[in-house]
Amino acid sequence: GQQLNQSPQSMFIQEGEDVSMNCTSSSIFNTWLWYKQDPGEGPVLLIALYKAGELTSNGRLTAQFGITRKDSFLNISASIPSDVGIYFCAGSSGVGATNKLIFGTGTLLAVQP
Amino acid sequence: GAGVSQTPSNKVTEKGKYVELRCDPISGHTALYWYRQSLGQGPEFLIYFQGTGAADDSGLPNDRFFAVRPEGSVSTLKIQRTERGDSAVYLCASSLTPLAVNEQFFGPGTRLTVL
Repeated sequence: GQQLNQSPQSMFIQEGEDVSMNCTSSSIFNTWLWYKQDPGEGPVLLIALYKAGELTSNGRLTAQFGITRKDSFLNISASIPSDVGIYFCAGSSGVGATNKLIFGTGTLLAVQP
Repeated sequence: GAGVSQTPSNKVTEKGKYVELRCDPISGHTALYWYRQSLGQGPEFLIYFQGTGAADDSGLPNDRFFAVRPEGSVSTLKIQRTERGDSAVYLCASSLTPLAVNEQFFGPGTRLTVL
């Protein structure tokens, strides 16, 4: 099935560092979402973006909806050990009434205390 | 709890066997989604229910996969003649309405292992 291109694949950083990851698509989306997944759990929504160019923050997290509607970025500032996990982007084209999500390949984040 | 629940949490079966995976959505949520997550990958859409009907089953990989939601609440994903390639975590998500794209709440998943 279709998966979005997400990079980097993994990141190993020191506590307190800032983190950036991005996601690209070959097709246009109307909504971009960022999720975090811990081992043995389902993805949990972090941020949702609804308009091209939109910049949204949730605490130390900031995400942007690319102007072309084909990409999105997530930044985490001042990382802490509990930020460890796998981060996924997801897009929805909103075609019809399905609103199924197309996910990225994931970014594994490891934070060294 | 009030979240999406899935049973069993783990299922080990032999190649060729039949399995059923169950999803209990959040009470009152009309939209229900099944996704499959292979190791090291993001979730991939399988099927979407609005109420009792499968409104979009375009993600089902082949006719060995089938899902039902007879009363518009609990859903069961059924896999016939399982193959080793079916091994994955099967995730269920629900939302109040299909328009609530930002409110798809995921369950913890069922890890299926086909030996």
